[in-house]
Amino acid sequence: SQQGEEDPQALSIQEGENATMNCSYKTSINNLQWYRQNSGRGLVHLILIRSNEREKHSGRLRVTLDTSKKSSSLLITASRAADTASYFCAYGGGGSEKLVFGKGTKLTVNP
Amino acid sequence: KAGVTQTPRYLIKTRGQQVTLSCSPISGHRSVSWYQQTPGQGLQFLFEYFSETQRNKGNFPGRFSGRQFSNSRSEMNVSTLELGDSALYLCASSATGTNQPQHFGDGTRLSIL
Repeated sequence: SQQGEEDPQALSIQEGENATMNCSYKTSINNLQWYRQNSGRGLVHLILIRSNEREKHSGRLRVTLDTSKKSSSLLITASRAADTASYFCAYGGGGSEKLVFGKGTKLTVNP
Repeated sequence: KAGVTQTPRYLIKTRGQQVTLSCSPISGHRSVSWYQQTPGQGLQFLFEYFSETQRNKGNFPGRFSGRQFSNSRSEMNVSTLELGDSALYLCASSATGTNQPQHFGDGTRLSIL
């Protein structure tokens, strides 16, 4: 299967702590994207990192990409209860818009 | 700018029926993709349209079809519904060019009885 893998599958932390989620993939990619999904809702785009980039920041989010290991990580610093959601990595390659998604990490931030 | 709009939000159908879901992309976006999300299989790519042409197709049976109109709005159709088609169907649009993020709608929750 081309599907990416994320770990951990579930993560429970206290408000103010940092949360780290990892993603591994199997093919060559043009970019890797991270999304957040609140229960029963659509996906919210967080960050896109290109294959020639190693690190990217957006507010409290930090994404790294290691193409030699085919892996990426998402770090959320100073987490808040509102960060409680499922987080997915997705990657694409070639000229297609097709995204392959990981199974996601369910993050719970306890107040 | 308005986001991606999907209608309806919820649908209940019975086995054997057919259903049509609608997606309006962000203004100016010409690429529209559809995904199916289930607890067991996760998020799976259905198909992608660009300028009214299907550019890519996922591994789904022929009962799943779609189309895109000249205004970039897209529809997907599922015929002869099966219980396993119960899922959240998500539509995403993106701007033209490489390395463009996909922006998703809130989805249509389809339940098959």
